[in-house]
Amino acid sequence: AQTVTQSQPEMSVQEAETVTLSCTYDTSENNYYLFWYKQPPSRQMILVIRQEAYKQQNATENRFSVNFQKAAKSFSLKISDSQLGDTAMYFCAFTPENTDKLIFGTGTRLQVFP
Amino acid sequence: DVKVTQSSRYLVKRTGEKVFLECVQDMDHENMFWYRQDPGLGLRLIYFSYDVKMKEKGDIPEGYSVSREKKERFSLILESASTNQTSMYLCASSLAFGQNSNQPQHFGDGTRLSIL
Repeated sequence: AQTVTQSQPEMSVQEAETVTLSCTYDTSENNYYLFWYKQPPSRQMILVIRQEAYKQQNATENRFSVNFQKAAKSFSLKISDSQLGDTAMYFCAFTPENTDKLIFGTGTRLQVFP
Repeated sequence: DVKVTQSSRYLVKRTGEKVFLECVQDMDHENMFWYRQDPGLGLRLIYFSYDVKMKEKGDIPEGYSVSREKKERFSLILESASTNQTSMYLCASSLAFGQNSNQPQHFGDGTRLSIL
């Protein structure tokens, strides 16, 4: 079975600091896609960043970057220069290449403190 | 921007009622999804539709059905609501894979459903 594991239920970070959220997954597929989604309190879930497994280069989006380790099946999210607006639930998600269905982790609640 | 609209933000129903949750998207997406979100469990897929009148069971379809009569609208139906269906329900849509494969899903605001 394909699974996604987020081992940190909650994390906190001070404003302007850097924080890394962990995600591991299990699959026998060779090609697939990985996503990080953000769900702010009482607000809509939005895509933060996306990585294609066949691409060696780690994806970056402004202050957000990933550390993709395919052999270790690890896909961590680094948030640099944390802002109060980064406070949210963060979900790691996985989908094999030949399907549109996402498999989600259980989420990490991130609190950014002033 | 893609807009996914769920008809209710909060809903309170009674045990045994038939409940309809509606979702509409405005970007002509082929795929639509219904998830259930519970603390500590993440998002779990209930049903998935890849075309009008087409549907596929997700991981937790028991007690639910769906309807997709038009491309833009995807309804989740609780045939006989029970208290263990109290949860947050999220609708999402995406382009089909093969059209720029594995496009990200776009989510609605969610419906917090309470069954009393």
